[in-house]
Amino acid sequence: AQKITQTQPGMFVQEKEAVTLDCTYDTSDPSYGLFWYKQPSSGEMIFLIYQGSYDQQNATEGRYSLNFQKARKSANLVISASQLGDSAMYFCAMREGGRTGTASKLTFGTGTRLQVTL
Amino acid sequence: DSGVTQTPKHLITATGQRVTLRCSPRSGDLSVYWYQQSLDQGLQFLIQYYNGEERAKGNILERFSAQQFPDLHSELNLSSLELGDSALYFCASTALAGASYNEQFFGPGTRLTVL
Repeated sequence: AQKITQTQPGMFVQEKEAVTLDCTYDTSDPSYGLFWYKQPSSGEMIFLIYQGSYDQQNATEGRYSLNFQKARKSANLVISASQLGDSAMYFCAMREGGRTGTASKLTFGTGTRLQVTL
Repeated sequence: DSGVTQTPKHLITATGQRVTLRCSPRSGDLSVYWYQQSLDQGLQFLIQYYNGEERAKGNILERFSAQQFPDLHSELNLSSLELGDSALYFCASTALAGASYNEQFFGPGTRLTVL
């Protein structure tokens, strides 16, 4: 079974509008972390935002926020006031396991390609 | 700039050959991860090293091997290369504590093309 599911292969949004990129996950581990990464056409992976399973509040980083709904196992990324430079591939990822001193691997979804239009 | 360096940036080689990809983690990071990004498999975890020791293995082929050296840099060795090994190979490192614990810092990647 897929551990991270991103059902939107591609999305379009107009400049200055908000957009939500969907991500659902599957784990039986009570301690986990959820990540979003941005991959522009140049190829590098840019960390955007992190949400821990025990975090009480939704994470926010500038124009990025994470809509974390634990019971539904979803961790959607919201980008507000989209900019042309936001056009990229976006990956949701999960790390399972607690904070034992060594962080475990990330499991990635298939990604969503976001295109910001004028 | 994440602080993780990878060399070379691009590599073009032929089937059957062997190549070595190199990664230097961020200063102070003990844990190094290798990931492969291909069109058909997506982003997949290959292997993790922690302070010189193998810590976890993912979908890494037997033709592939890795090691982490005392200075903490890591090398991924790919041998008997096949066309399907063409991919973007990422190295990532992470801190074990502190404010950046929850982030894996990715290097710029090595794009391998097997002809």
